[in-house]
Amino acid sequence: DAKTTQPTSMDCAEGRAANLPCNHSTISGNEYVYWYRQIHSQGPQYIIHGLKNNETNEMASLIITEDRKSSTLILPHATLRDTAVYYCIVRVNFGNEKLTFGTGTRLTIIP
Amino acid sequence: NAGVTQTPKFRVLKTGQSMTLLCAQDMNHEYMYWYRQDPGMGLRLIHYSVGEGTTAKGEVPDGYNVSRLKKQNFLLGLESAAPSQTSVYFCASSYPRVGQDPSGANVLTFGAGSRLTVL
Repeated sequence: DAKTTQPTSMDCAEGRAANLPCNHSTISGNEYVYWYRQIHSQGPQYIIHGLKNNETNEMASLIITEDRKSSTLILPHATLRDTAVYYCIVRVNFGNEKLTFGTGTRLTIIP
Repeated sequence: NAGVTQTPKFRVLKTGQSMTLLCAQDMNHEYMYWYRQDPGMGLRLIHYSVGEGTTAKGEVPDGYNVSRLKKQNFLLGLESAAPSQTSVYFCASSYPRVGQDPSGANVLTFGAGSRLTVL
């Protein structure tokens, strides 16, 4: 799986959009971009994933650049409950289960 | 539908003792995983299983053994606990073989974690 690079930490004001970047310059054609988050000491929670098109669900939007070398997770109206560590992972969907989570981005929502 | 359930949630062991962590999932997932998370670090894969009766090593398998005798259960064993194994352990499952998600996703569902302290 391709390696990803994320900022260590970010702050965002409550009610504003939180934009979390991820670089994955070595991504290959069959690798998807996945985002998970981990609130406090809970188990990680799936947020969204995509291949090359932008995706949106009830939690967030995922913007993938045309060359697929980077992506941005957008939380449109951040709340205090969005304070968490956010992990960006690049992986094939099947055939390689050695999925490892890096240290992610610690997002703090400021009241 | 409970998802992924881990037991116990907390455990304190003395060095050299043995124990087993149990992970149970009720989603008919084919794949199951055990991760550990140390303070300030990401999750590291210990062992995983792609089906009943199969297991494979992950990134940090030393000192641990696993078994997948039933599809819904994945056990993580510590034969002789060491202080370096003090950590939070997370189990996850993914990929239903029947009724595969048409979007092509392989989404991991995690348990709530098991906090293990080895003195």
